[in-house]
Order: sequence, then structure tokens, then C-alpha cells
Amino acid sequence: GAVVSQHPSRVICKSGTSVKIECRSLDFQATTMFWYRQFPKQSLMLMATSNEGSKATYEQGVEKDKFLINHASLTLSTLTVTSAHPEDSSFYICSARDLGASSGYTFGSGTRLTVV
Amino acid sequence: GENVEQHPSTLSVQEGDSAVIKCTYSDSASNYFPWYKQELGKGPQLIIDIRSNVGEKKDQRIAVTLNKTAKHFSLHITETQPEDSAVYFCAATSSGGYQKVTFGIGTKLQVIP
Repeated sequence: GAVVSQHPSRVICKSGTSVKIECRSLDFQATTMFWYRQFPKQSLMLMATSNEGSKATYEQGVEKDKFLINHASLTLSTLTVTSAHPEDSSFYICSARDLGASSGYTFGSGTRLTVV
Repeated sequence: GENVEQHPSTLSVQEGDSAVIKCTYSDSASNYFPWYKQELGKGPQLIIDIRSNVGEKKDQRIAVTLNKTAKHFSLHITETQPEDSAVYFCAATSSGGYQKVTFGIGTKLQVIP
């Protein structure tokens, strides 16, 4: 089945720095990927829809200048958390869909971000 | 937009018993309903899905039922095992193209040995 690779799995950064998270679709192309944020013991909250070659679409309440999304190729989307603060600490997950296989959405393994 | 409600939020069963998780959705345009299993510190994994043209689907110990008229769908796990312990999410979306997926709040299933 479709595989989505997400890196890093864990990252600790200092307040004020930026962190980049990568999401790659393996063996399939994805013109659209999704980025989610998950707080402890809660469901997945959609942050933005990443579109290859164009601007991402952000959900209401998500700061686009805070969470920069780049989808420069058909297999790679990146989420950059800029000027990170402790409240940005969370579990970030990406997902993609292999339309060619008529499959459902596959999720990455997630990234645990801790801002100290 | 779509709204998915899921219950119970927590569920404890004895090993070998069955577990049932129920969800409802609001948007009649939704036609694809996946179920995900999430273990601690990992991303959700698709365990089974069902499309609106089917009423029931089974894969070994896991089955999903869909009542399109009532907008209900349920996950049934039989002969539960300790390794089934995880958080389960139901979701609803449309099967065409790239559509947003709306998730339920999740059910924490604990299988007691």
C-alpha cells in the first residue's frame, strides 16, 4: 500500500528558532497533502492543505506566517514552524492519498515537537 | 461542513470479548468512511474502510457496518487481544479527489488480559 514517510520523528528546539518537518510520499505522487496537529488525548486537527506548485490553504485560526508550508514537488511537502514557542509543542502529522490506487489517506508516523 | 461524533470515548473489555465503537456523521455527501488505529506516539494507521454503496465489510476480526439512511457507522472487533489496545478514530470524507477528512474524537480501547 501507499507509504508516507515523515521526518524527523522527534525534535527539540529552543524558543525563537524554526523547525522544518518533511513529509514524503513513497512510490506515488501526491499533488495534495494534509497537515494535522494533535494535542494529547485529542483528535487530529487539520491545519492546512498543501498543494503542489501553489499556496497552501489554511484552516481558520491557523497562522500561515507561523506555519509555513512548501510543496515544491509531487512527493514532498514541508511544514516549517517559525519562531517556535513552547505552546507550539505538539504532535504534527501529515497525510497523503494515492489516487492512482484508489486508496484512502495514509498518514506519516508523526513528529513530536518540543519547544524549550 | 461535516461533523463526526464518536462514542464511547473510552472502552475497556476483557480479552476475548467484542468491542463496538459507534459514529455518526452529518453530511449526506460523505461517501467514504475509514477507521484508523493510533498507538501511542505514532501516526494513525488505516485498519478498515467502507464506502457508501456497501452496508458491511469484514476483515478477519474487524468489521464495519454502515447505515447510510441513519448516517451511522460502527466498528466491531471480535475476539479482542491485548495488542488491540489503542485509540481508534472514525472518519468521514468523500472518495473522489482530495477531500478533507473529518475525524471523530477517538475511542481509547483497553483490552484487559
